[in-house]
Amino acid sequence: HSALTQPPSASGSPGQSVTISCTGTSSDVGGYNFVSWYQQHPGKAPKLMIYEVTKRPSGVPDRFSGSKSGNTASLTVSGLQAEDEADYYCISYAGNHTPVFGGGTKLTVL
Amino acid sequence: QGQLVESGGGLVKPGGSLRLSCAASGFSFSDYYMSWIRQAPGKGLEWVSKITTSGTNKYYADSVEGRFTISRDNANNALYLQMNSLRAEDTAVYFCARDRYSGGYWDYFDYWGQGTLVTVSS
Repeated sequence: HSALTQPPSASGSPGQSVTISCTGTSSDVGGYNFVSWYQQHPGKAPKLMIYEVTKRPSGVPDRFSGSKSGNTASLTVSGLQAEDEADYYCISYAGNHTPVFGGGTKLTVL
Repeated sequence: QGQLVESGGGLVKPGGSLRLSCAASGFSFSDYYMSWIRQAPGKGLEWVSKITTSGTNKYYADSVEGRFTISRDNANNALYLQMNSLRAEDTAVYFCARDRYSGGYWDYFDYWGQGTLVTVSS
């Protein structure tokens, strides 16, 4: 499976909303509701932010939300805060034991 | 709350070997599939390998197939990655992570270790 496509960068001002896309195919993102999103600050481990397209783990602010349309999943961060500046990765089930990863998006809070 | 702690990284020459360890605590280790994921400097995440609960089935990325071996010791809550014939392109931070499945489908990684750096250089 090819990697999922994410924009290399995204940005927004504090308080604004920003949406990061994750485009795959009908064999991964479009075929299953098993898309997850991870936040990674420099030098840190990735942190699960969204799973099963729309679900938030306990402790993740409700400013983070997920959605999907066709072969594209999206992560929206509302009410941007300085601490949201990080890299974000999407991962999807791809029909076997090897999940497919997005290339990552660097989110900058202006 | 579960915790994963990797160790064993370091500097190794091309062609050399290294064994990474991941110590798990705070959850029933033997009940979960586990994975290794790596991140080359300044690059994105790359899945490396996965092992089933009993250790019977193992899966590898094409880039490491035949060179890396994943294993686990459920009695001691430990995950391992034996890396042989190392190449410069294997240089990365290696994370261990807990896999979550739903209805037989891979779902997400919920716990991640802090990572251990492997540098392959002469």
